[in-house]
Parts: sequence; C-alpha cells; structure tokens
Amino acid sequence: GDSVTQMEGPVTLSEEAFLTINCTYTATGYPSLFWYVQYPGEGLQLLLKATKADDKGSNKGFEATYRKETTSFHLEKGSVQVSDSAVYFCALRDFQGAQKLVFGQGTRLTINP
Amino acid sequence: DAGVIQSPRHEVTEMGQEVTLRCKPISGHNSLFWYRQTMMRGLELLIYFNNNVPIDDSGMPEDRFSAKMPNASFSTLKIQPSEPRDSAVYFCASSTSESYEQYFGPGTRLTVT
Repeated sequence: GDSVTQMEGPVTLSEEAFLTINCTYTATGYPSLFWYVQYPGEGLQLLLKATKADDKGSNKGFEATYRKETTSFHLEKGSVQVSDSAVYFCALRDFQGAQKLVFGQGTRLTINP
Repeated sequence: DAGVIQSPRHEVTEMGQEVTLRCKPISGHNSLFWYRQTMMRGLELLIYFNNNVPIDDSGMPEDRFSAKMPNASFSTLKIQPSEPRDSAVYFCASSTSESYEQYFGPGTRLTVT
C-alpha cells in the first residue's frame, strides 16, 4: 500500500538556520503530495502542496519540489524563525481520487532564538 | 467563518464508560474524516465519510469504536466501553470533493483512567 517516510525528529536549529526535512513516498501511479504543519495545541493545517511531477509548492518561505525520479518531497526553508517551531507532516493523496490522505509520522522542529 | 468544530476539547473518563466525541464540519464540505493521534502510533485515519456515507472504516481499531454521520453538519465518534489505551487526541477534518485540502478541527484530548 501507499506509504510516506519522514526523517526522524526531533530537529533542533538556531534561528536563521537553513531547514531541510526529508520525505519519501511509495505509491502506485502519481499521487498528490502535501506538507501539513501542527502548531502546539492545534489541529493540522495545510502548508503547501504539489499535484504533479516537478511542481514546486511554496508558502510562508517554505518550499518543496515533487521529484518523481527519487519519489521525494523534501521540505526546505532558507531562514527559520522561532515561530516555525511545530510538528511537520508529509502526506500523499492517491491518484485514483480517493479522498483519504496517507501521513508520515511527523517531524518535530524546535527553533531556538 | 467558522472552522471545524469539535466538542468536548478535553474528556477524562474511567475505563468502561461510554465516550462520545462530536464534530461539526465546515458548511458546504461533503467529506469528513476522523483521526487519532498518539505518540506511539502517530496520526491514524479511523474512518471517513463522503456525502454522509462511510467510505472507508478500515482504520477503526475494533468493535468498541463506531462513527455516525446522520446529516451533513454533524458526526459522532463513540467508544463503548472505553479503555486506557484509547487515550489520545482525536481530530475531525472536513473537505470538499474538489479540493485536496483537509481542514482540521482543534481536536479532543481523551484520557481514559
């Protein structure tokens, strides 16, 4: 079945550092890919998405590129802020149109001032 | 504009008691999802509905769990009888058939003692 694997956390960085959170997937066909973010005490919210190969999703300074050849969707940000501290989830949606998302295990990110 | 509403936000109950969690999706959304989040197992999809009809309940852990969606604006997740291992944060999310984005509620933190 479809699956998503994220780099294990927790990840701790200093403010203004460069961030990469790795995400790889296994799926039949061509899924849509997402990054969701969960701030403390809240539900998940969509951060960015990409629906086909070579698409780049971007939002709030975060970027991720859909790489079909490496089945990856790594999340990057050039200069993180304390307010970026959260748990980040990579997810995929099956290309056959099923509504459900398959989530990775989440990566906890802490940014120190 | 109201988001997904969940109640209660916190629930503490004793083992063996019945627990009912409630969700009101965003108006106009026709898909509804119930998730469970724990440290050990991460984020798990329990069941999802499309147009009030259960589509996939393969994630429901056992017969003690049941979910209903009597109309487009209300859903319940019931656990009877509850057990300590059911302690988790339960999220409800909703979306439209056309959109990839799921909107999450704030969650219900359930503690079974």
